[in-house]
Amino acid sequence: GAGVSQSPSNKVTEKGKDVELRCDPISGHTALYWYRQSLGQGLEFLIYFQGNSAPDKSGLPSDRFSAERTGGSVSTLTIQRTQQEDSAVYLCASSLGRGSETQYFGPGTRLLVL
Amino acid sequence: AQSVSQHNHHVILSEAASLELGCNYSYGGTVNLFWYVQYPGQHLQLLLKYFSGDPLVKGIKGFEAEFIKSKFSFNLRKPSVQWSDTAEYFCAVKDTSGTYKYIFGTGTRLKVLA
Repeated sequence: GAGVSQSPSNKVTEKGKDVELRCDPISGHTALYWYRQSLGQGLEFLIYFQGNSAPDKSGLPSDRFSAERTGGSVSTLTIQRTQQEDSAVYLCASSLGRGSETQYFGPGTRLLVL
Repeated sequence: AQSVSQHNHHVILSEAASLELGCNYSYGGTVNLFWYVQYPGQHLQLLLKYFSGDPLVKGIKGFEAEFIKSKFSFNLRKPSVQWSDTAEYFCAVKDTSGTYKYIFGTGTRLKVLA
């Protein structure tokens, strides 16, 4: 079956512009995660959604970052007024959401802020 | 706050050498532990996981990991590496208190020389 998909695969933007990154999780997965992968920094947790519960936003680095998940499926991560330090690979993952199951990762969106 | 430490950032081995990658976490409660792998150009994927029971866990491709609770460690091992094991390896921990938040280490880049 289809895995987690993300778009765009690459995004180049100018400092100060807003960007939107999209994630389509595996059908039926109720948990969805966003991570940021920077060189030498590993995977930094940003936010997760679990069903209809309030999202855990504890990893968002600033109020320029926000995310939503519509209809319990597709999620959008928005970065406003991008800064050069926002350059990274943004990864999305989904899981069944019933416990400590396997996370399935997407290919990521590589963001470059000039 | 929980944290995960991977002390080896870069490892270079010759084929047939034995591998051990260190992973230590800081959390006093019950945890679930994971190793994920990212092969060049591919998505992150699960290598193995520990939830409970036998502390020696076997995963795909001949990898295994041992959970040592007293040392807060979950080291990854493979008796004889292959060139195809060249990848980046991430350790992750999740507490079992009901949160769906995973904490990842900074990763270890393994290069296996043919």
